[in-house]
Amino acid sequence: KAGVTQTPRYLIKTRGQQVTLSCSPISGHRSVSWYQQTPGQGLQFLFEYFSETQRNKGNFPGRFSGRQFSNSRSEMNVSTLELGDSALYLCASSDLGEQYFGPGTRLTVT
Amino acid sequence: AQSVTQLDSQVPVFEEAPVELRCNYSSSVSVYLFWYVQYPNQGLQLLLKYLSGSTLVESINGFEAEFNKSQTSFHLRKPSVHISDTAEYFCAVKLAGGTSYGKLTFGQGTILTVHP
Repeated sequence: KAGVTQTPRYLIKTRGQQVTLSCSPISGHRSVSWYQQTPGQGLQFLFEYFSETQRNKGNFPGRFSGRQFSNSRSEMNVSTLELGDSALYLCASSDLGEQYFGPGTRLTVT
Repeated sequence: AQSVTQLDSQVPVFEEAPVELRCNYSSSVSVYLFWYVQYPNQGLQLLLKYLSGSTLVESINGFEAEFNKSQTSFHLRKPSVHISDTAEYFCAVKLAGGTSYGKLTFGQGTILTVHP
């Protein structure tokens, strides 16, 4: 089976812009979780989607949102970007509780 | 809420030496435990997991971890490390059952550097 894919791998945006990141889970996996990784805060849970419904959410502001499509692909959106949003964004798909991570999208906000 | 503490931010060792990366967790309910490894510019790879059963779990590349409920620890060990083991290692917990679903709580990571 193909692994979790994330696009794009690298992204540079300007403060105030918005960005959309995409994640394609492993075939057959219905759960997709998103994490933000920064040197200062480490790995933090953003949210999880299962069968197109958000079923868990971390402590991030409303500027961070996501959705999941009927084919289980997921997108996350960050509006009004801030410098502190620069991070590696990781997506993970899961089956029976075990999570498999994608390579991440490196977002740089200037 | 659960939390994870990795007691060492960096661990330098020489090749073929043994290593232990320490992880303690805090939770008022039962948890599942995981170790992930991250190589530079890559995502996380699952190294091993404890869900239930034997408290000693092993990976295919020689790492092992032991779940100690009384000490709330899940330390990672390898008897002889290789240069290729150089990476960052993350300990993570997930609530067993309930509504945590896919939420993993991670420790701050331990950078393992293996010197020749």
